[in-house]
Order: sequence, then structure tokens, then C-alpha cells
Amino acid sequence: DVKVTQSSRYLVKRTGEKVFLECVQDMDHENMFWYRQDPGLGLRLIYFSYDVKMKEKGDIPEGYSVSREKKERFSLILESASTNQTSMYLCASSSDLGLAGVKNEQYFGPGTRLTVT
Amino acid sequence: DAKTTQPPSMDCAEGRAANLPCNHSTISGNEYVYWYRQIHSQGPQYIIHGLKNNETNEMASLIITEDRKSSTLILPHATLRDTAVYYCIVRVNNDMRFGAGTRLTVKP
Repeated sequence: DVKVTQSSRYLVKRTGEKVFLECVQDMDHENMFWYRQDPGLGLRLIYFSYDVKMKEKGDIPEGYSVSREKKERFSLILESASTNQTSMYLCASSSDLGLAGVKNEQYFGPGTRLTVT
Repeated sequence: DAKTTQPPSMDCAEGRAANLPCNHSTISGNEYVYWYRQIHSQGPQYIIHGLKNNETNEMASLIITEDRKSSTLILPHATLRDTAVYYCIVRVNNDMRFGAGTRLTVKP
């Protein structure tokens, strides 16, 4: 079974702290994604990566950065956490099939619920 | 990616078919329709996808209108475990844009 793991299920940090959220996948997937999920807003894409050391901005990248030094690991970094970054963070991965429409299923981790106080 | 519109919530009786609509009037010719669902406290799970033709798998059926401007996800015999938020997404690239989805509640 594909497994996407996230470093913590629950995290509480203080305003201004630097926060690292880690995601690891074990299926040798090329693509990895970070989303945040807030009530009434669904999932919003923060950043994604198609390959090691590559990153692309999603819809809401402000206040976040990412790092992909190894294929299996994709880190989300909050340089200076703020209360409006309190949210559920979801990581996902998918294989790069090159063709739109081929079942390019994204596999999601269990999520990290981050609270910034 | 084309924008999608879904009703915020729906109810369905257990054992009956659940029909979840999605409008995607600005879809372009090479964009596929994907459906995911998210059960409480879990990450989203892939259900089905299609381009033009209707599709069926062990979980659901996907009906896409001829003009491709809307689609319907059908769960033929809904169970209580199908209670979840269902997301309709149209995409051509590897990245996905999820909207707010439809919260389906299956009632006994």
C-alpha cells in the first residue's frame, strides 16, 4: 500500500516561531503537494514539487516555503508562524504519468493540525 | 484549471442512490473530471475520473453530459460509511485545485 506519512498529527506553536512540517512518501512518486484545509474553503494548494529541488507555487504560497532535497521527502516551512496559519495541513503525492487523464491519483497523508497561539 | 460548482450539502437515505452534481461550464477539451472524497479526519481519497464517456468502477459511476459542462457522481447504494465531503475537480496537469465540495450525509 502507498503510504504518505506526516511528522505530527497535532502541533502547537507560538507566533513568530519557525515551523517545519515534514512529509514522506514510500512509493517513489515524482510529485508532492502541500495543501491547507479550512472550514468552508476546502483544500487550497500551497506549493507543489515535480522533482527533487524543484518547486512551484500553488494558490496561497504567501508566508510559506518548501524544501525537496530528496525524492521521498517534502517539507513545508513557516518562517514566522502567525495565527492565521492555524489550519489542517495535508500532504499528498502522485506519480508523474506524463499524460493527462491517466489515473493520476493523489495519495494523501493523515494531516497535521497546526495551532498557532 | 476550470472552476467547478457543487451544492454545499446533500442528504441521502441509506440504500438509495446518491447523485452528486457538479457544474464545470468553462471546462476545456483536454481537461478531465476527477472526483475525490474526504471522510472525517482522513485525507481525501480518489474515487473516479473521466473525459467524455461515462465511467464506472467498484466505488461509483460518473456521468458526463455531452457538452461536458456538467457531470454527476452516482453512488448506487449509499451506506452510512459514504458520509463524506465529495470534491469535483477538473484538471489537465498533475496539480489539483479542490473547491469546497459537497457534504453528503447518508441517513439510516
